[in-house]
Parts: sequence; C-alpha cells; structure tokens
Amino acid sequence: GAVVSQHPSWVICKSGTSVKIECRSLDFQATTMFWYRQFPKQSLMLMATSNEGSKATYEQGVEKDKFLINHASLTLSTLTVTSAHPEDSSFYICSAPRGFGSPLHFGNGTRLTVT
Amino acid sequence: AQTVTQSQPEMSVQEAETVTLSCTYDTSESDYYLFWYKQPPSRQMILVIRQEAYKQQNATENRFSVNFQKAAKSFSLKISDSQLGDAAMYFCAYRIQGAQKLVFGQGTRLTINP
Repeated sequence: GAVVSQHPSWVICKSGTSVKIECRSLDFQATTMFWYRQFPKQSLMLMATSNEGSKATYEQGVEKDKFLINHASLTLSTLTVTSAHPEDSSFYICSAPRGFGSPLHFGNGTRLTVT
Repeated sequence: AQTVTQSQPEMSVQEAETVTLSCTYDTSESDYYLFWYKQPPSRQMILVIRQEAYKQQNATENRFSVNFQKAAKSFSLKISDSQLGDAAMYFCAYRIQGAQKLVFGQGTRLTINP
C-alpha cells in the first residue's frame, strides 16, 4: 500500500488565491521530503527539499515566496502556492525516503489548475 | 552538476518481445545510485529497479534488468516479455551517495502493441 499520502489529488482555484498541498508519510518518520513539479509530458523538476524543523532548501530559479514549504512534524510537509496564477498550473508530487539512503517513495501527486 | 539524459522520447514494442531503454548520465562522483522509475497514466511514480555504482553486477528484478556501464556512464533498462501493463513513462534517475534528492532524465514513453 501507499507509504506517502498526498492531498488533495486535484484542485481548481481562482487566480490570486492560495492553495495548500499536504504530503504525509504514513508509517515512517521523514525528516526530509522533496517537492517536485511536472509539466505535461515532461520530467520531474525538483523544486525544494523540505527539512523538518528548519527552513526548506529551494532549487535555483524557484521562488521561495511563491512556493512556501512548511515541515512542521516528522510526518507532514506542506506546500502552499501563494497568489496562484495560471502559469502555476501543474502537477506537483512529493516524495520521501523511508530511511536515509532508501529509495524515494512518491505521493500520488496533485493536479493544480488555476483559472 | 549532475545530468541525466534519455535520448529516446518514445519507444514501442510488440507484446511479449524485449525492449531496451537508454540512459546516460554525467557525474564526477564515484559513489552514487541509479534508478528506473515507471509512471503509468495514473501518474504514480513506481520504482522499477535500482543499481549501486559500486556493484559491478547488473541489477535484475523479474522481467526487468539493467546494463550498467560505469566507465561509459550508461544505464539502460531491458524489459523482457513485455506486457500491456508495462506501458508508461519511464524515468532514469541519479542520486549521489550521502544525498537523497533525485535528478531525473527527460523520460521515455513506452507503448506496448498487442
């Protein structure tokens, strides 16, 4: 069964509003989680590394103020897309390793559509 | 910076036949891991197979096997006895030892013809 749960699976929001996406590790603790973005028919692009109890590490070119990441507990990381615009429409996927050095387990992803 | 290249945007194979997906990578590291992930239409990322760079033996998982050529920085995936359920996007991915984030290739869309 799934070991990483992501919610919601899809969301439609109006331009200018904020959207929060949750990523939970179900039966293990994850001090680190990763957020990826995937455009249609393209690969996964790493946006940021979410670190429990400290600030997230963002990849070059990713706007920190646009994509807010909070890793408040050992099983939950959230990605908030602030003041969303149509160009933020995409598929967002979170992932976490079950243990250090273990392969990443992925959530089912969230399809965000901004109208 | 590490990069992963999949030069085949699309591949197709007849059901029950064998297909090989290519992947090359660029790194100056000596210790790292390589992975193949499958992404079916549901978009769930599924780990297919992984290879530790320090291991010379090629990894095998049932019908899936890899041809790991460290000197050539090549990591191809062979799917034997292809099944309709193998149809998906396949991503090659790289991770250095001691780190956890993955770098993905562009992906190869595999179609299985009945």
